Amino acid sequence: GQNIDQPTEMTATEGAIVQINCTYQTSGFNGLFWYQQHAGEAPTFLSYNVLDGLEEKGRFSSFLSRSKGYSYLLLKELQMKDSASYLCAVRDTGGYQKVTFGTGTKLQVIP
Amino acid sequence: DTEVTQTPKHLVMGMTNKKSLKCEQHMGHRAMYWYKQKAKKPPELMFVYSYEKLSINESVPSRFSPECPNSSLLNLHLHALQPEDSALYLCASSQRTGGYEQYFGPGTRLTVT
Repeated sequence: GQNIDQPTEMTATEGAIVQINCTYQTSGFNGLFWYQQHAGEAPTFLSYNVLDGLEEKGRFSSFLSRSKGYSYLLLKELQMKDSASYLCAVRDTGGYQKVTFGTGTKLQVIP
Repeated sequence: DTEVTQTPKHLVMGMTNKKSLKCEQHMGHRAMYWYKQKAKKPPELMFVYSYEKLSINESVPSRFSPECPNSSLLNLHLHALQPEDSALYLCASSQRTGGYEQYFGPGTRLTVT
């Protein structure tokens, strides 16, 4: 099974940098996704890590350490529209490589 | 076209009703998913279809019945639901199962009275 932990809520200031952590304990690991979900809307894909290290995509970066069961999502130059929930999701190694979502971190960006 | 569409957007049904949720994608994806999401909770996987065949059923009660008529369409048939089944039902698709990003539809907000 999968056990995925994220902070429940975070607050950060517009223009700042925020790091959202995700730790996981899994029976099998084959990649980690980050999704953004605005209230009342569907999740949208942000990033995917399968190897250790940092993946950068514009203002968003995601880091993975497989040995530590740890990932983070880094958001730079925060904008008010970044206020949303950020979901960490882990893919397992089973036949159909099921993806399990963490409980999500609700980020509030304040002026 | 990178869109997954779902209908209806909202649905209110009684416990004795039969209704269906519909999902469509035209990205050529061969994996399609149904998720259930309660308020302030993450999406919970219900079903996975791979090449129009049901590959994962996460022990979902039989009052939920999925159907994949072709590679672009996914239905979820509902019958004799309970009030606790009220939730946002999300459809998603990906190129294949596994390490591919999933594209989510806007969801159907279901209320069971």
